[in-house]
Amino acid sequence: AQSVAQPEDQVKVAEGNPLTVKCTYSVSGNPYLFWYVQYPNRGLQFLLKYITGDNLVKGSYGFEAEFNKSQTSFHLKKPSALVSDSALYFCAVTSLISSGSARQLTFGSGTQLTVLP
Amino acid sequence: NAGVTQTPKFQVLKTGQSMTLQCAQDMNHNSMYWYRQDPGMGLRLIYYSASEGTTDKGEVPNGYNVSRLNKREFSLRLESAAPSQTSVYFCASSVNRGTDTQYFGPGTRLTVL
Repeated sequence: AQSVAQPEDQVKVAEGNPLTVKCTYSVSGNPYLFWYVQYPNRGLQFLLKYITGDNLVKGSYGFEAEFNKSQTSFHLKKPSALVSDSALYFCAVTSLISSGSARQLTFGSGTQLTVLP
Repeated sequence: NAGVTQTPKFQVLKTGQSMTLQCAQDMNHNSMYWYRQDPGMGLRLIYYSASEGTTDKGEVPNGYNVSRLNKREFSLRLESAAPSQTSVYFCASSVNRGTDTQYFGPGTRLTVL
């Protein structure tokens, strides 16, 4: 089984401040981790993913995420938040089973980010 | 290059009515998916099609059927709609099933009265 937890339903930060959206996961085996963003009345947009290699992954719109295997976390970060970053953010995980195929993508419940002007 | 498109954008049904949600992708992806999004629950997989000619159940398949019409199109059918199926439905596609990035359509907001 696999699962994803986004412990904060809402995060509020002031424009220009750094932001962090938290994600922890549970999988058997190596995780493949994703972040998506959803603007109001829109579909999910891919931000970044971790498969293997460097623990710091850089993505779209200045976002980055840090993979921490010991803490089973994959927090999303941005050094300087913009009002336009206000949206719903989803973390997702999948992993491979012994046959080499992958489990379905499991999503967290989402974190609403509000950047205050 | 439109990516993933979905029709309709909005739909209101009465309990017991049927409807089909349409999805098409122009990225030459092999795999396609249907999810539903409910408040506070993230996205849950209804059905997926790993490749043309195959379909499989996801986490919440009850009350739904799918058809992979060709490589581009993947439809979701509600045979007898229930209020519990009120949700936002998203179609997605990826090069292959597994660890490839999934790309999402704009969604269909369905209300069942």
